[in-house]
Amino acid sequence: GAGVSQSPSNKVTEKGKDVELRCDPISGHTALYWYRQSLGQGLEFLIYFQGNSAPDKSGLPSDRFSAERTGGSVSTLTIQRTQQEDSAVYLCASSLMPRANTGELFFGEGSRLTVL
Amino acid sequence: KQEVTQIPAALSVPEGENLVLNCSFTDSAIYNLQWFRQDPGKGLTSLLLIQSSQREQTSGRLNASLDKSSGRSTLYIAASQPGDSATYLCAVFNGANSKLTFGKGITLSVRP
Repeated sequence: GAGVSQSPSNKVTEKGKDVELRCDPISGHTALYWYRQSLGQGLEFLIYFQGNSAPDKSGLPSDRFSAERTGGSVSTLTIQRTQQEDSAVYLCASSLMPRANTGELFFGEGSRLTVL
Repeated sequence: KQEVTQIPAALSVPEGENLVLNCSFTDSAIYNLQWFRQDPGKGLTSLLLIQSSQREQTSGRLNASLDKSSGRSTLYIAASQPGDSATYLCAVFNGANSKLTFGKGITLSVRP
């Protein structure tokens, strides 16, 4: 597709289970970002990839959160042993190399995670 | 640490009114500034991007300005319509760390 694609769009899980969220960026975009948006809160930066490497993991809330990107394309965000406070919308965005272009970010529709 | 502030959190105006949404940021060493729109339950749609060397950008009824030295940006919406009702977020991009920092957004309601 032409835009950033995220799946699943909705995920309901039980506390303690692991979840995987997937992001398929715009073709050719080398930079990929994960953000979290909790109810009533702003967007919280989680992690940024340039190609397959993550120069900045400082936003990951705990060691239960991990992310990887393969082939410079698809990324997965994994949350282990989910807690109720993990409930949020997880948004993915992509852009061309920031310093070589405008740095404009394009967002997907998000994955809404509910932990019961 | 970059902080982005958008005040007020919510705004209600009658249809047809011209309005200004404000955004302020603490670290002026930015690469660019983006304004986004978010409809309920949806992702973010990019409206306008202003590079650090630019003063303003226009798209249709929207005009965004940037005053980097004072750490401020405004989004001007002309002749507002009910379809403009949404949350508008401002975000600044720090090229040094490739991080986009968001404000909490302004929820706009345009009354018919």
